[in-house]
Amino acid sequence: SQTIHQWPATLVQPVGSPLSLECTVEGTSNPNLYWYRQAAGRGLQLLFYSVGIGQISSEVPQNLSASRPQDRQFILSSKKLLLSDSGFYLCAQLDRESEKLFFGSGTQLSVL
Amino acid sequence: QKEVEQDPGPLSVPEGAIVSLNCTYSNSAFQYFMWYRQYSRKGPELLMYTYSSGNKEDGRFTAQVDKSSKYISLFIRDSQPSDSATYLCAMSEGTSYDKVIFGPGTSLSVIP
Repeated sequence: SQTIHQWPATLVQPVGSPLSLECTVEGTSNPNLYWYRQAAGRGLQLLFYSVGIGQISSEVPQNLSASRPQDRQFILSSKKLLLSDSGFYLCAQLDRESEKLFFGSGTQLSVL
Repeated sequence: QKEVEQDPGPLSVPEGAIVSLNCTYSNSAFQYFMWYRQYSRKGPELLMYTYSSGNKEDGRFTAQVDKSSKYISLFIRDSQPSDSATYLCAMSEGTSYDKVIFGPGTSLSVIP
């Protein structure tokens, strides 16, 4: 079965600082990977998805970027964080056979 | 109109009650329907998954899909305090891997 690793669990960063969140998956090859953001009391907003190495699609133009340097690694980055970037960031993987979406444990980002 | 709408709650019920959680959607192309449970500060956990109209049962949980009415429900029987969480409905067309759309979630509290 697949396992999704996300770290750190909690992050507090000042406005204008850079960001790098990493997600790695185990137990599968060539996965579809996703970054979602969840604002307090709100649903999940799809930020980026990737169907393979170097292939990134952006859903919402914003201050963030994503990269997929390896098959099982997905990275969310920012050069300069904004207050509005605060939220709960979740990495997810789609099982292509079942169409089921599985999530990592998430990173709570607070930009102050 | 939002693509997926969900009763916002919060919902508070006594232990042992039957809980009904509901979502409506506008895209008739949706074929895969999911319910996720999310505890505070954790990643969503897949609870139920179905791709056809009708009922699917798993222990105390029953997922119901009515494609003609574009309406899905999750029923929880004999609710327990451990069921207290936010419940998210999600759905996809199944042909486009990026488009798993989530409802905003319903917060449920089961009071002992």
